[in-house]
Amino acid sequence: ETGVTQSPTHLIKTRGQQVTLRCSSQSGHNTVSWYQQALGQGPQFIFQYYREEENGRGNFPPRFSGLQFPNYSSELNVNALELDDSALYLCASSSGKTGGKDGYTFGSGTRLTVV
Amino acid sequence: QKEVEQDPGPLSVPEGAIVSLNCTYSNSAFQYFMWYRQYSRKGPELLMYTYSSGNKEDGRFTAQVDKSSKYISLFIRDSQPSDSATYLCAMSESGPRDDKIIFGKGTRLHILP
Repeated sequence: ETGVTQSPTHLIKTRGQQVTLRCSSQSGHNTVSWYQQALGQGPQFIFQYYREEENGRGNFPPRFSGLQFPNYSSELNVNALELDDSALYLCASSSGKTGGKDGYTFGSGTRLTVV
Repeated sequence: QKEVEQDPGPLSVPEGAIVSLNCTYSNSAFQYFMWYRQYSRKGPELLMYTYSSGNKEDGRFTAQVDKSSKYISLFIRDSQPSDSATYLCAMSESGPRDDKIIFGKGTRLHILP
């Protein structure tokens, strides 16, 4: 299977709840990055995983956490949801840590609404 | 001052026109400059990237980087209705797969048939 697959596509949660978003990376890719895209904004880097280890983190609080599995799929977990967490969450996969000639392959995202 | 500034638009142009999209930035350490296209309800798709200053052409698309002015551009020739999307500029210090790519807000482009 080619491309990056994210699930679910849409989600509605209540403030204070916890959520888990899932991502299957493109075949052959061992690096997964997560981005948050608020309405009308560009994507903001949350963190990156390379071969199951966190390889960098953006300016997000610890209640945003993640995992990468041996098959390079990944999860993003958000605890104690706040209204401002409402956004499109994008997963992007790539081969290798940095550099190279290829950019990210993005999934279509999970639209999270916190009420 | 934000690291990357991009006019959100919307920008509406007639079919066949040349489109010019631009970004400015403040971090002189940026070396890689990317343009992504994002259709509604989809993730961004990498169109092209440029290393350091100069021009790069790919079909109807031309990317330009002027590091001395901290200004980058994307030109679309012979624009088509299918080019209607949000165009995001993005920049990094270490490469197109850098763990800290900084995106602009995106410019919404409408090509009118």
